[in-house]
Amino acid sequence: EDKVVQSPLSLVVHEGDTVTLNCSYEVTNFRSLLWYKQEKKAPTFLFMLTSSGIEKKSGRLSSILDKKELFSILNITATQTGDSAIYLCAVEGSYGQNFVFGPGTRLSVLP
Amino acid sequence: SAVISQKPSRDICQRGTSLTIQCQVDSQVTMMFWYRQQPGQSLTLIATANQGSEATYESGFVIDKFPISRPNLTFSTLTVSNMSPEDSSIYLCSVEYWGTPSSGNTIYFGEGSWLTVV
Repeated sequence: EDKVVQSPLSLVVHEGDTVTLNCSYEVTNFRSLLWYKQEKKAPTFLFMLTSSGIEKKSGRLSSILDKKELFSILNITATQTGDSAIYLCAVEGSYGQNFVFGPGTRLSVLP
Repeated sequence: SAVISQKPSRDICQRGTSLTIQCQVDSQVTMMFWYRQQPGQSLTLIATANQGSEATYESGFVIDKFPISRPNLTFSTLTVSNMSPEDSSIYLCSVEYWGTPSSGNTIYFGEGSWLTVV
């Protein structure tokens, strides 16, 4: 059965800190891994990763995938209170299969 | 990306009643998905809705409880029937944009519908 595990499940930091969120997975015929940020209701898309070792970057956020060790990390540098959210990792299996979501990491950034 | 509109955004429902959630996409899509996110939980797929065919339900979800319509390529509805407090959740509509067979697909979500059953 396909599985996605995220750690930590909850994290509290202060503004300016750097955080690393982890996502590990077991999936048949891996195709892609996606990161989402969920603040209120709807998750918003952050990154899609398909190849190992290639960093995706957007502002203070960056992410990388290791397909050999079956994990991805999401880094946030110089955190701000607006980064407070649940960060979801989702993995897609074989072409046309559904996405499997991890439990999410709840990040709280204190002023 | 897609613009996906859901309504209602939020509702408080009486036990035993039914509520229909609407999802409108600004472009034609083949597959639409309905997810549920119970308090403190991650997203769980309810069903996949393809236009012109019966929805495909995931284990633990049945058509009598969650009937789905998909009348065209831009619209779908999910009904939560005979509601109980355990149905209090965020319900999310999503669409999937297909990449190539060697790349991944991307899914985008509607704003979500927050239902509280009392």
